[in-house]
Amino acid sequence: EIVLTQSPATLSLSPGERATLSCRASQSVSRYLGWYQQKPGQAPRLLIYDASNRATGIPARFSGSGSGTDFTLTISSLEPEDFAVYYCQQRSNWPLTFGGGTKVEIK
Amino acid sequence: EVQLVESGGGLVQPGGSLRLSCAASGFTFGNYWMSWVRLAPGKGLEWVAHIKQDGSEKYYVDSVKGRFTISRDNAKNSLFLQMNSLRAEDTAVYYCARGGAGAAAPFDYWGQGTLVTVSS
Repeated sequence: EIVLTQSPATLSLSPGERATLSCRASQSVSRYLGWYQQKPGQAPRLLIYDASNRATGIPARFSGSGSGTDFTLTISSLEPEDFAVYYCQQRSNWPLTFGGGTKVEIK
Repeated sequence: EVQLVESGGGLVQPGGSLRLSCAASGFTFGNYWMSWVRLAPGKGLEWVAHIKQDGSEKYYVDSVKGRFTISRDNAKNSLFLQMNSLRAEDTAVYYCARGGAGAAAPFDYWGQGTLVTVSS
């Protein structure tokens, strides 16, 4: 099973600041990594697929990078609606696995 | 508009059974792999099970193998999860998620979830 480790666990930032979230895989997943956003009481939302492709309707302030074992989700300038939990997920191997999540909270 | 609506959650005793349903609309259901993903209290997302368009291939996370069964009815645009021998650690919100044409495509649409609580 591929283990995804996300860091930091919590990120405290102010609106307008840049957020950088990390996801490290226990073995290479090539570029088969995605990012999801989840707010309390809501369904997860796909933000990024295959490391760097924005999903339909996702604003340009969200960007993804990386390959192999190290990946980054960047939010260039935080909007109030961006404060949420973010999960990475690999689709390179079965079982599909998610990281433990990074909570982006208002400072 | 793509919609996924889960139902069937509730309170069940350890060792009991529950059947979750997911009603799909707004897309050609039979063209997509479908999954169940859960979110346990205080934990992160966990993929549970995945089923091919025609039901001929199914995959499960190890912790539910032999206890959970994923199935689908393409004529009724519905996805199911039969959960037997339930344990306290199965307590979670269960989401239905749409995959893609390929086996492990990203989950691009999700339902709002149904809560399963396993407790005596």
